[in-house]
Amino acid sequence: AQSVSQHNHHVILSEAASLELGCNYSYGGTVNLFWYVQYPGQHLQLLLKYFSGDPLVKGIKGFEAEFIKSKFSFNLRKPSVQWSDTAEYFCAVNSGGSNYKLTFGKGTLLTVNP
Amino acid sequence: DAGVIQSPRHEVTEMGQEVTLRCKPISGHNSLFWYRQTMMRGLELLIYFNNNVPIDDSGMPEDRFSAKMPNASFSTLKIQPSEPRDSAVYFCASMPPGTGYSPLHFGNGTRLTVT
Repeated sequence: AQSVSQHNHHVILSEAASLELGCNYSYGGTVNLFWYVQYPGQHLQLLLKYFSGDPLVKGIKGFEAEFIKSKFSFNLRKPSVQWSDTAEYFCAVNSGGSNYKLTFGKGTLLTVNP
Repeated sequence: DAGVIQSPRHEVTEMGQEVTLRCKPISGHNSLFWYRQTMMRGLELLIYFNNNVPIDDSGMPEDRFSAKMPNASFSTLKIQPSEPRDSAVYFCASMPPGTGYSPLHFGNGTRLTVT
């Protein structure tokens, strides 16, 4: 069974600081990887996704993530965070193909102080 | 595109009562998912449907939980009888036809409180 680990439960940064949120998954085969964001009081929205090709993917709002297959990782990065990035971030994985079952990590709450 | 619509937004009920949560997926989407979100366990997949047929219900906690999708535009998640430990935010999500590359589109969730 696939699983997803997000190492940081809560990250607190000041505006303009750089961000990296860790995500590791356990699954030996082909995977599709996703980062979702949940702003306070809102539903989850897709931030970015990877399924093949360039392992460095760029998403909305200046976020990017790098797939490192050898490390089973898909870390999320942003060079300079803003107060409006305060949200909870979820890494998710499915095993691709016709497998629709998406497994989520427990999430990382990001607080950006102005 | 109205997005995935869930109702009610909030539900407060007493232990032992029946609770029904409703979901209308995005038109044209043929996969529907029910997730439960709690502080302790994060986001858990309860059940998902493809073309109105339940494909995987292994995440349904126990027999008190049931889900139906009578047609492509409507699904329900029922808890009978409800218990305080069922308190959580329940999300419905839909996905367009295709493969697992497609992202999920989530509704705004139903916050359930069982007292």
